[in-house]
Amino acid sequence: GAVVSQHPSRVICKSGTSVKIECRSLDFQATTMFWYRQFPKKSLMLMATSNEGSKATYEQGVEKDKFLINHASLTLSTLTVTSAHPEDSSFYICSAPPPTNTEAFFGQGTRLTVV
Amino acid sequence: AQSVTQPDIHITVSEGASLELRCNYSYGATPYLFWYVQSPGQGLQLLLKYFSGDTLVQGIKGFEAEFKRSQSSFNLRKPSVHWSDAAEYFCAVGATGGAQKLVFGQGTRLTINP
Repeated sequence: GAVVSQHPSRVICKSGTSVKIECRSLDFQATTMFWYRQFPKKSLMLMATSNEGSKATYEQGVEKDKFLINHASLTLSTLTVTSAHPEDSSFYICSAPPPTNTEAFFGQGTRLTVV
Repeated sequence: AQSVTQPDIHITVSEGASLELRCNYSYGATPYLFWYVQSPGQGLQLLLKYFSGDTLVQGIKGFEAEFKRSQSSFNLRKPSVHWSDAAEYFCAVGATGGAQKLVFGQGTRLTINP
């Protein structure tokens, strides 16, 4: 099946710094990718829709200035957590549906810990 | 708005026993429904999906699910569980049709007793 690669899998950063997470579709082009956040023992909540060549669409309550999304190419979307604080610590997962739109492939996730 | 409810937060079954995980959805049109499995600290793996046609769908790892429109349900079943099935299971509906924006249920954590 199609593969979506997410990097890094784990990152620890100091409070106030920024962290970039990459999401790549390895064998198909994705004009749209999605970023989810998962709190411990909780479900996945959609944060934003990443659109190739245009601005991301953020869900209600998600700070667009804190969570910067860039969809620079048809195979790469990045999520940058700016000025990270401990409350930003979470598991972030990206997904990309192939052009057939019949399923969404998920990255491995990124465990972010802000200390 | 679309929503998914998984009534059981945690289920424990014995190895070799049958399993049913419940999922109810709310969606105005014909839903695109999915079941995903997540191992600790990992991403999500698709078990099966339903778009149309036969309401009983077969997935990987011996799982199946039945779409019942009258009950707005899409329950996941397995006749005999294995210890390796212990994981978190998520039911999801495609919020805009297809597999674009997914709305997830709260998840059901499955524990297997030896």
